[in-house]
Amino acid sequence: DQQVKQNSPSLSVQEGRISILNCDYTNSMFDYFLWYKKYPAEGPTFLISISSIKDKNEDGRFTVFLNKSAKHLSLHIVPSQPGDSAVYFCAAKAGGGNKLTFGTGTQLKVEL
Amino acid sequence: EPEVTQTPSHQVTQMGQEVILRCVPISNHLYFYWYRQILGQKVEFLVSFYNNEISEKSEIFDDQFSVERPDGSNFTLKIRSTKLEDSAMYFCASSAPPTYEQYFGPGTRLTVT
Repeated sequence: DQQVKQNSPSLSVQEGRISILNCDYTNSMFDYFLWYKKYPAEGPTFLISISSIKDKNEDGRFTVFLNKSAKHLSLHIVPSQPGDSAVYFCAAKAGGGNKLTFGTGTQLKVEL
Repeated sequence: EPEVTQTPSHQVTQMGQEVILRCVPISNHLYFYWYRQILGQKVEFLVSFYNNEISEKSEIFDDQFSVERPDGSNFTLKIRSTKLEDSAMYFCASSAPPTYEQYFGPGTRLTVT
């Protein structure tokens, strides 16, 4: 069941540069999308979300873009900081329920 | 900042034994969830709970699983007869309307031997 896909298992970026994490989905019923960050031995931490009626949402260094026609969303982190090094999960929710469907995650490493 | 807490952090049990995983959701939240992550795999939804009843459950959540909110603060997941394949990190989460953001606890690592 690959309704939410994160095709890049890892990404390495230099400190101060932009990190772009990508996510694709197949279920057209998804109407709300979220990004979570996860450190080892901790639970996922909510970062930012976007409703399907929008195409962009920004919160500080984090911006999420949604392209509904392509069923694609991305998370931009700028500038990237070493503390951003973590696994990033994309998650999606379909209308009428609260179940989140997660992607497999992308390990981001921000290097000095 | 309010947070979801879970106990224990690590539970080791023998196959066939019952385990109860405990969670204290954020106090003003109304929706409660359990997810699990088997090592190396994605986070998977198990069940959601609202107004003292299950609102949604996945295929994983079979008759061996049950959830309960025994008092005003705790939310528990019981596995009646554990199997080796139940070994995973179990995450509790909670959310409050009108937003859909779910806030996760640190997880309980369940090891079935």
